[in-house]
Amino acid sequence: EAGVVQSPRYKIIEKKQPVAFWCNPISGHNTLYWYRQNLGQGPELLIRYENEEAVDDSQLPKDRFSAERLKGVDSTLKIQPAELGDSAVYLCASSPGTNMNTEAFFGQGTRLTVV
Amino acid sequence: DAKTTQPNSMESNEEEPVHLPCNHSTISGTDYIHWYRQLPSQGPEYVIHGLTSNVNNRMASLAIAEDRKSSTLILHRATLRDAAVYYCILREGAQKLVFGQGTRLTINP
Repeated sequence: EAGVVQSPRYKIIEKKQPVAFWCNPISGHNTLYWYRQNLGQGPELLIRYENEEAVDDSQLPKDRFSAERLKGVDSTLKIQPAELGDSAVYLCASSPGTNMNTEAFFGQGTRLTVV
Repeated sequence: DAKTTQPNSMESNEEEPVHLPCNHSTISGTDYIHWYRQLPSQGPEYVIHGLTSNVNNRMASLAIAEDRKSSTLILHRATLRDAAVYYCILREGAQKLVFGQGTRLTINP
């Protein structure tokens, strides 16, 4: 079975340009997460979806970041406009359950470089 | 968010056991203890989790203190492929996975 698929793997853009990341979770997984990981740090949660509903977006910088999960399957994370400080790895993860006794599966991430 | 404390780095030799400690003195009675690891240039991957009893799987063992304020991830026979950052996470009722800094494990050949 395919795991969590993210694209692109790498993206280089100039500051003030828009960028979008795409995530296809494991089939049947209702919960989807977007994380940001800065160099040398642990991943930080940006947003969590239960099906198509964003149930935790408290850490999402809403002035420039947006996300959607149409039909409760694929998800897109967008930054507009990008800033130099947005350079990081953006990770998507999915999970089958809604309790604490389930594991999350991560994609390989998208490494964003803003120049 | 409940917090965990881990050493920044540890080093071990190939084919020897590795014990990775984690302190979580503020753990609540319903928090599960999860361990993930992150290999270079990869996303995190699940290793093991538990609530109160010790747990074993094909990757590792998890030893949980009786008062649940600490736990230890045990790799029984480390290989070079186990070199990674290991994260100890308390999984709370809100389905959150809150990562700390983790422990960077180096395996010497």
